[in-house]
Amino acid sequence: AQRVTQPEKLLSVFKGAPVELKCNYSYSGSPELFWYVQYSRQRLQLLLRHISRESIKGFTADLNKGETSFHLKKPFAQEEDSAMYYCALSGLAAGNKLTFGGGTRVLVKP
Amino acid sequence: GAVVSQHPSRVICKSGTSVKIECRSLDFQATTMFWYRQFPKQSLMLMATSNEGSKATYEQGVEKDKFLINHASLTLSTLTVTSAHPEDSSFYICSARDAGVATGELFFGEGSRLTVL
Repeated sequence: AQRVTQPEKLLSVFKGAPVELKCNYSYSGSPELFWYVQYSRQRLQLLLRHISRESIKGFTADLNKGETSFHLKKPFAQEEDSAMYYCALSGLAAGNKLTFGGGTRVLVKP
Repeated sequence: GAVVSQHPSRVICKSGTSVKIECRSLDFQATTMFWYRQFPKQSLMLMATSNEGSKATYEQGVEKDKFLINHASLTLSTLTVTSAHPEDSSFYICSARDAGVATGELFFGEGSRLTVL
């Protein structure tokens, strides 16, 4: 069965400090990994996906198959980054269904 | 980007009544929509996959007779919570994938908060 684990429920950092959200997964096959973000009172939206290998809003995430991780990083956090972040996994073996991690709330303090 | 709309955004009902939640893809066609449930301070749990023109596929532990899903057109899926009880109170979220786009990005609705008294 596929599983996504986000060990931190809350990350509190000061503005300008680096932030890293951990995500580990288990999946038998070639997964597709995503990070979704939910800002206050807004709907869930895609932040980035591993196949794109791009940086969105200063965030990057690298898929490490050896460690089965897909950690999200940003070198200098901004107050507007405060939100709920979900790591998610999809794959052919699971019918392309999206499985979410428990989520990490990021609070960026001024 | 593509927009998925849910209605109603909030609904309060008495125990024993049925509630219907609609999920519409506004500017794209979705052969597949997904229904999630989210409890307070918890993650999204997939309930079922709604397939246009055919029966929904339910996740293990989800009662199909309790949560009726209909996907009658390429832009509309409905979730009906039948004979709702207080334990059904939750945040229900739908998502859809644009059938015409190869990237397969999922777009989410704004969610519907159900409170059963």
